[in-house]
Amino acid sequence: SYELTQPPSVSVSPGQTASIACSGDELGQKYASWYQQKPGQSPVLVIYQTTKRPSGIPERFSGSNSGNTATLTISGTQTVDEADYYCQAYDSSAVYVFGPGTKVTVL
Amino acid sequence: EVQLVQSGAEVKKPGESLKISCKASGYNFGYYWIGWLRQTPGKGLEWMGIIYPGDSDPRYNPSFDGRVTISADKSSTTAYLQWDSLQASDTAIYFCARRGPGSGSVGYYFHYWGQGTLVTVSS
Repeated sequence: SYELTQPPSVSVSPGQTASIACSGDELGQKYASWYQQKPGQSPVLVIYQTTKRPSGIPERFSGSNSGNTATLTISGTQTVDEADYYCQAYDSSAVYVFGPGTKVTVL
Repeated sequence: EVQLVQSGAEVKKPGESLKISCKASGYNFGYYWIGWLRQTPGKGLEWMGIIYPGDSDPRYNPSFDGRVTISADKSSTTAYLQWDSLQASDTAIYFCARRGPGSGSVGYYFHYWGQGTLVTVSS
């Protein structure tokens, strides 16, 4: 079965850039999506179709994809960005696959 | 405004049946796929299945096929997830989520999410 891998945690200082990698076989040939989830809340879509931001998502969130790795970048990270982030792709076996999640700590 | 409102928390015993719901509003219910996802501390987010309310065509993750049934009622704009016989391992938070628009890979993401339903299965 298709799998996505993410680092368990990423730490960043306020105002700096956080990058979260998501790796999977031939991921560069698929659309990647990213979700932010804060404790006790539902996930929120922050990036879809690899690079697009839904309405209401700040411009500091951006996405890219190359080779086997998709990357979520948070520029000028703020304390409100502290959350778990999940990548997601659609596999050719018709399954929506999620990565294990990355905890972003802003300190 | 698109809204997905899920039914409340449930506490059940192993072997019991359960049906949870997801009431959609703010858009044409029949035109967007709605998925069900499970979240547990140990396994993170897992996609269980998805349904197109327009023709009630469900698709399942092979990992969940035969364990759950997904359905939708256009008249009440509500999607459902049901179990015939719960197990302790079904203890989790369950989310419904509306998929992106259109057919093909451009829509393979989940844009709007319900608030989640906590299901606890314990003897």
